[in-house]
Amino acid sequence: IQLTQSPSSLSASVGDRVTITCRASQGISRFLAWYQQKPGKAPKLLIYAASSLQSGVPSRFSGSGSGTEFTLTITSLQPEDFATYYCQQVHSNPITFGQGTRLEIK
Amino acid sequence: EVQLLESGGALVQPGGSLRLSCAASGFAFSTFPMNWVRQVPGRGLEWVSAIGTSGTTYYADSVRGRFTVSRDNSDNTLYLQMTTLRAEDTGVYSCAKVAEAGTWRTWFDRWGQGTQVTVSS
Repeated sequence: IQLTQSPSSLSASVGDRVTITCRASQGISRFLAWYQQKPGKAPKLLIYAASSLQSGVPSRFSGSGSGTEFTLTITSLQPEDFATYYCQQVHSNPITFGQGTRLEIK
Repeated sequence: EVQLLESGGALVQPGGSLRLSCAASGFAFSTFPMNWVRQVPGRGLEWVSAIGTSGTTYYADSVRGRFTVSRDNSDNTLYLQMTTLRAEDTGVYSCAKVAEAGTWRTWFDRWGQGTQVTVSS
């Protein structure tokens, strides 16, 4: 299953609301997760099961969608949110990831 | 605190072999399936392999027959034996713990920092 994220990169300002989309090449129900990765660091789980917030993750992060289209929304961007974001599907073997969305400071 | 620490990465010639290790601590290692994921500049994240708690193994098509995943529950260590290495195997290899103990095919709630594998002559 291929996952296509859009946009590939995004410039935004602190306080902005941003949305990242992940489209699956076939239906994956809600078997989707979102990760945040900062340079030189391991990915961090933000959202699982499409919309469940991982423990300890700020509530400005939210996920939605099912089937083939999913979104990650960050409301009121904070300086620490500038990073690369990946979606992941665990519906089918092999597990696959989106190509990533780089969120940069405008 | 959950910790995953990979080691064993190196520069190796095409056709060579390497064994990666992932030392786990801070959780009941034997009760969680584990995964290997690699990150390649320009190709992003690629799932490589998984191993269940009973030792059942799973592989990406690109590595099946060349890589072998194993675990030592007495030592809380995950391994990835890599043989017949190719240039396209170059990347940072990380081990990842699944969030739910019941299945290998689920999201990862902890990742290691990774170890660099470079395949080049």
